[in-house]
Amino acid sequence: DGGITQSPKYLFRKEGQNVTLSCEQNLNHDAMYWYRQDPGQGLRLIYYSQIVNDFQKGDIAEGYSVSREKKESFPLTVTSAQKNPTAFYLCASSPGLATSETQYFGPGTRLLVL
Amino acid sequence: SQQGEEDPQALSIQEGENATMNCSYKTSINNLQWYRQNSGRGLVHLILIRSNEREKHSGRLRVTLDTSKKSSSLLITASRAADTASYFCATGYGGATNKLIFGTGTLLAVQP
Repeated sequence: DGGITQSPKYLFRKEGQNVTLSCEQNLNHDAMYWYRQDPGQGLRLIYYSQIVNDFQKGDIAEGYSVSREKKESFPLTVTSAQKNPTAFYLCASSPGLATSETQYFGPGTRLLVL
Repeated sequence: SQQGEEDPQALSIQEGENATMNCSYKTSINNLQWYRQNSGRGLVHLILIRSNEREKHSGRLRVTLDTSKKSSSLLITASRAADTASYFCATGYGGATNKLIFGTGTLLAVQP
């Protein structure tokens, strides 16, 4: 069963804590992305990776970090430097290196601050 | 900002009616895509139209693109209650920009 999985579905963060959101794909896609969605808003790009061991900052990278050690995995860490982390986080992938092409999305992780 | 703007922000129709959503953008694009998002879920790709295409169909969906007006429309014919969702346009930029930029979405409610 191919697709993109994200875990957990809900995540709670305490003040000063780093948390990591998981994203895994078995579609053999080269490119992967992280987006943030606030209520009633569109998606904003946090980070993207076009190839293993390489990634680029998106429009709102401050307070976030990523790694791409394996083709199928692209975890996102929300650091304590991100002062307003409450949002819906979406991971996506696309087959090739052209990030302007069709993207396939996971089900999302909702992050809440305690 | 390059972000697309969608119109209307919200739309409520009766089952069986057609729904039309519009998207406008500011700079030249490679392609324009439409995605659907059910509440609290990920986005699902619906259709992609390239900058050299004017119209595209997929089932009950019809997308038009007018590059001279920098606008696109998504028509859903014979709507169903299951079409209730948010619909986003996303503009694709090639070359050095190489990005996909999402609009703010139209919330469609189809009343049974």
